[in-house]
Amino acid sequence: GESVGLHLPTLSVQEGDNSIINCAYSNSASDYFIWYKQESGKGPQFIIDIRSNMDKRQGQRVTVLLNKTVKHLSLQIAATQPGDSAVYFCAEKENYGQNFVFGPGTRLSVLP
Amino acid sequence: DTGVSQDPRHKITKRGQNVTFRCDPISEHNRLYWYRQTLGQGPEFLTYFQNEAQLEKSRLLSDRFSAERPKGSFSTLEIQRTEQGDSAMYLCASSLGDRGGDTIYFGEGSWLTVV
Repeated sequence: GESVGLHLPTLSVQEGDNSIINCAYSNSASDYFIWYKQESGKGPQFIIDIRSNMDKRQGQRVTVLLNKTVKHLSLQIAATQPGDSAVYFCAEKENYGQNFVFGPGTRLSVLP
Repeated sequence: DTGVSQDPRHKITKRGQNVTFRCDPISEHNRLYWYRQTLGQGPEFLTYFQNEAQLEKSRLLSDRFSAERPKGSFSTLEIQRTEQGDSAMYLCASSLGDRGGDTIYFGEGSWLTVV
């Protein structure tokens, strides 16, 4: 069945360094992907999205890369700050579907 | 605040009791979703509405769970005869849907603890 997974459950980076969070997906029919940030005790917060007709999209300090050939998604955070510490989820959705499938998440810890 | 609003934020209940959660979506969003999230896991889809119609339900949504969106605006999720395994955060989300986008935006969640 369709599933979204992550290569690393935890990631620690030094403040100021760049962070890369990875996500693997298995459903080749997925055509829309979203990265969410979730802080402790709060709901997931939208960060950035990308559709399958693109391979890169940039936001403020964040970049999402999509490699459909190997079904891989990544989130790059530039100049990581303490406020970036959170759990990051990737989510995928099939075309014509409404069900977003989430992976288990990666916890990002920013070290001073 | 014009985001998705959920109430209550926290609920502690005894096993066997019924609980109800309310969700107010972002204004003009015609799609509304319920997800469940347990500690250390990603959100799991439960159900979604297009206006007042419940169009999809997950197999996770047992007979003890019922969701409604009677006027196509706010929604309620009721859990009857709660069990300890129901302890989780219940997340509501909404999207513009066919009005202009399928990006879903989440509320802050309702934490349920069944004791």
